[in-house]
Order: sequence, then structure tokens, then C-alpha cells
Amino acid sequence: DTAVSQTPKYLVTQMGNDKSIKCEQNLGHDTMYWYKQDSKKFLKIMFSYNNKELIINETVPNRFSPKSPDKAHLNLHINSLELGDSAVYFCASSRGKDTQYFGPGTRLTVL
Amino acid sequence: GQNIDQPTEMTATEGAIVQINCTYQTSGFNGLFWYQQHAGEAPTFLSYNVLDGLEEKGRFSSFLSRSKGYSYLLLKELQMKDSASYLCAVRGLGGSWGKLQFGAGTQVVVTP
Repeated sequence: DTAVSQTPKYLVTQMGNDKSIKCEQNLGHDTMYWYKQDSKKFLKIMFSYNNKELIINETVPNRFSPKSPDKAHLNLHINSLELGDSAVYFCASSRGKDTQYFGPGTRLTVL
Repeated sequence: GQNIDQPTEMTATEGAIVQINCTYQTSGFNGLFWYQQHAGEAPTFLSYNVLDGLEEKGRFSSFLSRSKGYSYLLLKELQMKDSASYLCAVRGLGGSWGKLQFGAGTQVVVTP
């Protein structure tokens, strides 16, 4: 009965690799988000999709590419991983601009 | 843009009350949220204010003054499980859709 789920929970990879993180929500929400939380615990918006349309695209390297196949899913693909990409990535969802509900996070470690 | 300030850390004893302040400067305001985040876990929603005044939810209350750019989260009858980071987040207007700008969080340590 998980509301917002992410896979994988942990991801350890080498510099230069390409990886994907998946997110799914079963709340019937129409808006989904990706946030990055760095080592200082600062939570920062990266992208947002509403009804599969990109509506927020912050200043993020174009190595990061989000994809929303449908309203319930938002994936994040990262090319050519760098050390600075190490962080916890949180997916969230909401109904329109209402309260956002977060997934459990994916801890990415780039070696 | 938006600047959001909150204290880095606060310590209080079990059963006590703690007030976490949050000040913000924003070019547009459409609501303020408080989230709780335990170490290694996801942020969980606590409260929401869009109009001035106090919102009470059990042991937690949140206050907003839009004219002062100020909010606080009040935690009463502290329990050990309340030890966590508390995040203040401001929602902008219009084209920024549901974009939330988060503060750096206040780490609350509850001692026996």
C-alpha cells in the first residue's frame, strides 16, 4: 500500500556510468517531482511534471533527463555520472499544487 | 527568488515545548509548509499555512504572518521520537506551479 515508491533504494556506481532511478505513485496524483538532497541535507527541486508535461526544469546539468511515461510514473536517467552527483534523490507527487508527498529516497554513491 | 532561514539546531527535554522559527523573503507567496524528516527517511508533511494565523494539529501547531515573512512550528509535549529535522518550505506563485523552496532544516534533539 506504499503511496510513493522508488527503486532502487541504494545505488553505488563508478564515475562515467549511466544509471536510472524509477518512481511510481498510487495516490492518483497528476504532478510528480524530483528533488536532490545533498550532504548538507539541503533539499532542492530538480524537475516537475504535470500530466506528463515538464513544468519545472531547474538549473540542472543536461546529463539528467527525466521521463514521465504516464501520470503515475516519473523516472530519472543520469548520464556520465560524476562524483558530485552523489546525494539522496527524492521523488514526490501531489494533486496540482497541493501538498507534496515524498518517496523513501534513492541514495546514490558515485565512486 | 526566495531566501528561507531557520536555526540549524535546537535541543529540548522530553515533555517540553520547542518553537522553530522560519523567516522568508520571496517574490511571490502561495503557502508555507512544514515537513519532518527523520535521519535516512523521507520528509513527511506536518502542516500548511496560506493565511495568517495559527493552525493546530494535535501536538503540532504552525503560525504564519505574511506581512512579516515569518512562520513558526510549535512542538508540544516533546517525545523522543520527535528528534528529527524540521523543514520549512515556501511555495511560489503562478508559473512556478507547485515549486517548493526549502530551508536547510532545523535539527531538533530531544533529550531524556
